[in-house]
Amino acid sequence: GAVVSQHPSWVICKSGTSVKIECRSLDFQATTMFWYRQFPKQSLMLMATSNEGSKATYEQGVEKDKFLINHASLTLSTLTVTSAHPEDSSFYICSALSRGEGYGYTFGSGTRLTVV
Amino acid sequence: TQLLEQSPQFLSIQEGENLTVYCNSSSVFSSLQWYRQEPGEGPVLLVTVVTGGEVKKLKRLTFQFGDARKDSSLHITAAQPGDTGLYLCAGASGGGKLIFGQGTELSVKP
Repeated sequence: GAVVSQHPSWVICKSGTSVKIECRSLDFQATTMFWYRQFPKQSLMLMATSNEGSKATYEQGVEKDKFLINHASLTLSTLTVTSAHPEDSSFYICSALSRGEGYGYTFGSGTRLTVV
Repeated sequence: TQLLEQSPQFLSIQEGENLTVYCNSSSVFSSLQWYRQEPGEGPVLLVTVVTGGEVKKLKRLTFQFGDARKDSSLHITAAQPGDTGLYLCAGASGGGKLIFGQGTELSVKP
């Protein structure tokens, strides 16, 4: 089945630094990937839709300059949290959409970001 | 904006009891999916319902999609401690975006 690898699984960074999270589709091409944020005991909130070769589409209220998304290839999308602050601490999850046979969404295992 | 209202948000029951989780919207979705998520992990797909009125069964779990494709339910029979987790409904909207309900935190006590 489709597999999405998300890395790192957890990261601790100092306030003011930037952190990059990678999301790779291992055995299929994903023209569309999604980035979600999740707080403890809450659901997933869609942050942005990432399309290969074009600019990401951000949901209302999400700062595009703070959460930089790059989708340069059909198997890789990255989310960079710039100038991180403690309030950016959260669980970030990516999802890749497979439009071919076996159409569906495959989720990464998530990245726990802690900003200190 | 398409929204999914999921209820209840928290549920604590004894082993052996039955439960139902509801997912409602004022919008029509092309499909609805149910996921289960463990702490610190990504959500895992349980089922996708596509046709209005569709009923799918997965062992002790029964999923139903409303006739108008605006609502869905998850029914668990004879819940077990291993069923404990966060259950999420999600609807596919235009552009392929998957919108999630608020989630139901289920705790099954032995």
